Amino acid sequence: DQQVKQNSPSLSVQEGRISILNCDYTNSMFDYFLWYKKYPAEGPTFLISISSIKDKNEDGRFTVFLNKSAKHLSLHIVPSQPGDSAVYFCAASGQTGANNLFFGTGTRLTVIP
Amino acid sequence: DAGVIQSPRHEVTEMGQEVTLRCKPISGHNSLFWYRQTMMRGLELLIYFNNNVPIDDSGMPEDRFSAKMPNASFSTLKIQPSEPRDSAVYFCASSLGTAWQGPQHFGDGTRLSIL
Repeated sequence: DQQVKQNSPSLSVQEGRISILNCDYTNSMFDYFLWYKKYPAEGPTFLISISSIKDKNEDGRFTVFLNKSAKHLSLHIVPSQPGDSAVYFCAASGQTGANNLFFGTGTRLTVIP
Repeated sequence: DAGVIQSPRHEVTEMGQEVTLRCKPISGHNSLFWYRQTMMRGLELLIYFNNNVPIDDSGMPEDRFSAKMPNASFSTLKIQPSEPRDSAVYFCASSLGTAWQGPQHFGDGTRLSIL
């Protein structure tokens, strides 16, 4: 009954290349999506978000793409750096005005120098 | 700026004991969330408060878990009696309003081990 799914538990990428992290959701009522990054022994930190009225949002090296018809979003990191090595969580907000988030299980990204 | 502060960072106790986790949200934030992180389910929402009032506690596993928010600057998550399957990392987060208005900010978590 996981409403937000990250099917790849881990990903390894060479430094300088593109990292693509994927996320799928099942609830068509979700209208706001976020990505969080988590280092060991720390809490998740907010990275980037996108609302359902957009299909792309960019912030520096990070771009999030949203495909509403496929209920799929992805996070692109270009170029990848060793400091990007962390666990990335995708999250979705239930509906406009909702406070709570639904999180995926995370993808561990390793950027190889 | 002070972020979300959780205590203790680590807790090791024997099953059957009462465990109390504490959280101080960011000043001015009106929503507070308790999560549990497990390998199988990732970050699982246990309960959240809005303006100190519990809004949704459907994620609380069972009656052994309870949470309070007596004022805007403090919340507790209590497990009584604790069981080994409660071992996990528990996170507290706070936010200013809805997800659209601002992201949740997380504390560094409490790693709980029940022996």
